[in-house]
Amino acid sequence: DAKTTQPTSMDCAEGRAANLPCNHSTISGNEYVYWYRQIHSQGPQYIIHGLKNNETNEMASLIITEDRKSSTLILPHATLRDTAVYYCIAPGTDSNYQLIWGAGTKLIIKP
Amino acid sequence: NAGVTQTPKFQVLKTGQSMTLQCAQDMNHEYMSWYRQDPGMGLRLIHYSVGAGITDQGEVPNGYNVSRSTTEDFPLRLLSAAPSQTSVYFCASSYVPTVPYEQYFGPGTRLTVT
Repeated sequence: DAKTTQPTSMDCAEGRAANLPCNHSTISGNEYVYWYRQIHSQGPQYIIHGLKNNETNEMASLIITEDRKSSTLILPHATLRDTAVYYCIAPGTDSNYQLIWGAGTKLIIKP
Repeated sequence: NAGVTQTPKFQVLKTGQSMTLQCAQDMNHEYMSWYRQDPGMGLRLIHYSVGAGITDQGEVPNGYNVSRSTTEDFPLRLLSAAPSQTSVYFCASSYVPTVPYEQYFGPGTRLTVT
């Protein structure tokens, strides 16, 4: 079973910040949280990952709560091309190599 | 760089047939993996490899075999296809063998088993 839970779907207006929440209350202290997205039926695309500290790259920012039980992915200025399914994922119990994917959040950017 | 390539893009099999899905990467990545994605679902890990000659099972390995004779190639074999294996199959690779931070995915193979 997935160790993360996300809302099924969200809307965001074009040009606004899209904030996608994720709960991961059962991950251990050395397990990373990863974010990927999948546009239509293409192969997933890596966005960002984090352990304890907040992270930022050219695509997004990742805010992780101090207790590590949840995180938020922030797309600062959403465009129509950001419409996709966003996955917050964590390693399985057996190995850091086994990432467990849930159903993700369908993000729709509206003009 | 071509990145991660997969062939074929589409395939229809009859129950009981066998076939091999091909995956290749030209980024010299040590870590490679195979996932399947059923409609409306996330990806599920089938098998993975942390280097040539080393493979391990993922979440849903039954009915599939893999081998890794070279760094570049990681084929997935369906031994005796079943309708339950109808799915989209993605291959991925990563340059970090210890923890697969950033995985690069191929375009997928859409398999239908009748």
